Amino acid sequence: AQSVTQPDIHITVSEGASLELRCNYSYGATPYLFWYVQSPGQGLQLLLKYFSGDTLVQGIKGFEAEFKRSQSSFNLRKPSVHWSDAAEYFCAVGSGGGADGLTFGKGTHLIIQP
Amino acid sequence: IAGITQAPTSQILAAGRRMTLRCTQDMRHNAMYWYRQDLGLGLRLIHYSNTAGTTGKGEVPDGYSVSRANTDDFPLTLASAVPSQTSVYFCASSEIQGATEAFFGQGTRLTVV
Repeated sequence: AQSVTQPDIHITVSEGASLELRCNYSYGATPYLFWYVQSPGQGLQLLLKYFSGDTLVQGIKGFEAEFKRSQSSFNLRKPSVHWSDAAEYFCAVGSGGGADGLTFGKGTHLIIQP
Repeated sequence: IAGITQAPTSQILAAGRRMTLRCTQDMRHNAMYWYRQDLGLGLRLIHYSNTAGTTGKGEVPDGYSVSRANTDDFPLTLASAVPSQTSVYFCASSEIQGATEAFFGQGTRLTVV
């Protein structure tokens, strides 16, 4: 069965500083990888996704992520965070139409310090 | 505006009562999902449906049932609610299960007392 690990429950970053959120996945075949963001009291919004091709993918709001097959990782990065980036971030792995569907990590809560 | 509509937004329910959470999508997506979100546990899949007429069990299906009579609707039923089912429930849909972007509703906050 597929699984996702987000090692950091909370991360605190100063406004303007760079950000990296870690994600490791376990899946037997080529994974479909996603990052979602959830603002308080809201549903989830897709930031970016990786299916194939260039391993560095660009998303909305200035986010990017890099797929590293050798490390089974899909870390999310942003060069300079804004106070509005404070939210919960979820990494997810999909089975590409298979029975396992879409599996989420437990999330990383991002706090932005002024 | 296209998307996922969930109802109700919130509900307080007495233990032992039956409750159906409603979910409707207007994007004609094949796949639909129900997740529950609990603090520290992230989103856990309850049930899913790859296409109308089919359903499957996710990670935490016990105490819940679903049906998919048509493409647009995917109701989640708690036959006899228990306090451990207190959670925020999210419905989602995607064109293809696990392969394309999933769109989420705004959630239903359910409290079982």
